[in-house]
Amino acid sequence: DAEITQSPRHKITETGRQVTLACHQTWNHNNMFWYRQDLGHGLRLIHYSYGVQDTNKGEVSDGYSVSRSNTEDLPLTLESAASSQTSVYFCASSEHRGSMRNEQFFGPGTRLTVL
Amino acid sequence: LAKTTQPISMDSYEGQEVNITCSHNNIATNDYITWYQQFPSQGPRFIIQGYKTKVTNEVASLFIPADRKSSTLSLPRVSLSDTAVYYCLVVGNFGNEKLTFGTGTRLTIIP
Repeated sequence: DAEITQSPRHKITETGRQVTLACHQTWNHNNMFWYRQDLGHGLRLIHYSYGVQDTNKGEVSDGYSVSRSNTEDLPLTLESAASSQTSVYFCASSEHRGSMRNEQFFGPGTRLTVL
Repeated sequence: LAKTTQPISMDSYEGQEVNITCSHNNIATNDYITWYQQFPSQGPRFIIQGYKTKVTNEVASLFIPADRKSSTLSLPRVSLSDTAVYYCLVVGNFGNEKLTFGTGTRLTIIP
C-alpha cells in the first residue's frame, strides 16, 4: 500500500546543530508539504513543493530549507537549530500539481527537541 | 487566504449528532471549504470538502449556506473514537497561499 513516512520519529539535538528530517511518500504525488505544530498555534506551513526542483516558502520558513531532487522525498533541514524550533513536524503530500486544495495525506510526525 | 473562526472546544454524548460550525466571512469565489480530523500523536486526516449546499460521505456531512460565509460539519451518532481536533480550512486552488490549519475545535465525546 502507498504511504508517507517520516524519520526519525523522535529527535533530540543541541542548539546550533544542523538537523535534517526525512519525508518519503510512495503515492507518486507531485505536491509535498512540511508543517510544524505547536500548542496554541495549530499547524503552520513551513515549505512546500509542487514537483521536482520546485520549492516555495510557507508561513514560517525562516531557519528552514528544503530541496526536491525526486518525486518521493522532501527533506527538511534546520540549518542551525534553535530552541524555538522545538515542535512536532508533519510532512504531507497531495496529487494534482500546483493545487493546495486537494486532500493532503499526512505522515506520522517527528517530535524534535532542541536543547 | 480566508480567516476561519470555530469554537475552541465542544463536548457531546455518545450516540448524538454533533454539529461544528466554522465562520469564514471573507471567503473568495474560488475557495473551497475543507475539514480535517486529528487524533493525538497523529497527523491530520481529510474528512470532507465542499463548495456549496450539501456534501455527504460515509463519515460526515458538510452544510454550506448560499452566502458561503459559514459552514457546518455534521457528525452523525458520534462514538468515543470521534474524540479529536477538527480543523476547518478555506483554500483556493492554486499556490502562493499560506495554508494554515488554525487551532481547530477540540471535540470530546462523553460516554
